[in-house]
Amino acid sequence: AQSVSQHNHHVILSEAASLELGCNYSYGGTVNLFWYVQYPGQHLQLLLKYFSGDPLVKGIKGFEAEFIKSKFSFNLRKPSVQWSDTAEYFCAVNGPGGYNKLIFGAGTRLAVHP
Amino acid sequence: DGGITQSPKYLFRKEGQNVTLSCEQNLNHDAMYWYRQDPGQGLRLIYYSQIVNDFQKGDIAEGYSVSREKKESFPLTVTSAQKNPTAFYLCASSGTGYTGELFFGEGSRLTVL
Repeated sequence: AQSVSQHNHHVILSEAASLELGCNYSYGGTVNLFWYVQYPGQHLQLLLKYFSGDPLVKGIKGFEAEFIKSKFSFNLRKPSVQWSDTAEYFCAVNGPGGYNKLIFGAGTRLAVHP
Repeated sequence: DGGITQSPKYLFRKEGQNVTLSCEQNLNHDAMYWYRQDPGQGLRLIYYSQIVNDFQKGDIAEGYSVSREKKESFPLTVTSAQKNPTAFYLCASSGTGYTGELFFGEGSRLTVL
């Protein structure tokens, strides 16, 4: 069965530090990959997505992610985090059923200290 | 404002009782979804519906039931058969075509006493 692994469950950083959150998926076929974010007290929302083309995708608020097919990875990065980036981040992949049926990872809770 | 409305936000129920969580959307989306969120486990798909009067089981459908009689509504019933119902429940919708973008509601937190 298809699955998504997020290696870091909790990450604590100081402002201006660089961020990289790991995400690996298990599926050998064509995949579409996503990062969603849930800010405190807000709805879960799409941060960025990869369908095809350039494996380096850029999302909102300065986030980017790189799809490395050989490593089955889709890591999320940001060069310099801000306190407002404190949130929970979820990696997701489309399931075998397609049609927006996403499989989510366990999430990574990021805390950024001023 | 377009969006997804879930109610109630908090719900307590006694063991053995069924409870229904409401999900309404005014985004004119065809597809709707129910996810369960538990700490350390992320979101797991319970049921989804691609069109009115049709729905499919997700990964953890046992102990749950849904209906899709109207495009804008997708209620979830947590039955007494669900062994561990205490959780945070999220409803989502998506529009026409495959974009991978789900729009989520604020969630409903169910606690079984």
